[in-house]
Amino acid sequence: KNQVEQSPQSLIILEGKNCTLQCNYTVSPFSNLRWYKQDTGRGPVSLTIMTFSENTKSNGRYTATLDADTKQSSLHITASQLSDSASYICVVSAPGGYNKLIFGAGTRLAVHP
Amino acid sequence: AAGVIQSPRHLIKEKRETATLKCYPIPRHDTVYWYQQGPGQDPQFLISFYEKMQSDKGSIPDRFSAQQFSDYHSELNMSSLELGDSALYFCASSLGQAPNTEAFFGQGTRLTVV
Repeated sequence: KNQVEQSPQSLIILEGKNCTLQCNYTVSPFSNLRWYKQDTGRGPVSLTIMTFSENTKSNGRYTATLDADTKQSSLHITASQLSDSASYICVVSAPGGYNKLIFGAGTRLAVHP
Repeated sequence: AAGVIQSPRHLIKEKRETATLKCYPIPRHDTVYWYQQGPGQDPQFLISFYEKMQSDKGSIPDRFSAQQFSDYHSELNMSSLELGDSALYFCASSLGQAPNTEAFFGQGTRLTVV
């Protein structure tokens, strides 16, 4: 069973609409949770990073939330733009640093005009 | 701002050949990580270096080796290439290795073994 599960697997929305992506994890102990945006064939770009003590973090139109008790995180995108079309990957870090990054399978978001 | 630079961006090699991938970290970053992402797969950690010393090792095959040089750039050497080595290879760099340190990924090198 995957330690980091994301839903939905894919999502299509119209430009200007909001959407929320979900991430459930079972990684324990847990150091931090990150959301990355990855364009096809490109490296992941960090959007947010939250420790277990943080509940929410924003980066422009991206807002991530974290509930360490239920081991759930969400990424909310407001006023979507065509350039938001990408895969959004939830990554959980177990203690030990970057060698212990556990990647989710990602949610592929398509924003249509 | 300067980012992590990887070269080449694309590489095609035949089975049993060797390949060398290069990674130039963000200036002043002292830590480099290598990841392998197969088609439709999650990135898998291969190896990392801190201050020119190997700091951790993941699922790197014995056919692969890597090092970090005095200018902090890193090279991943891959020998006896197999078809299954075809993947996107990412390098990331950070300043230090603290767990919450932000790491920045390069754009990757797409290796195709034919």
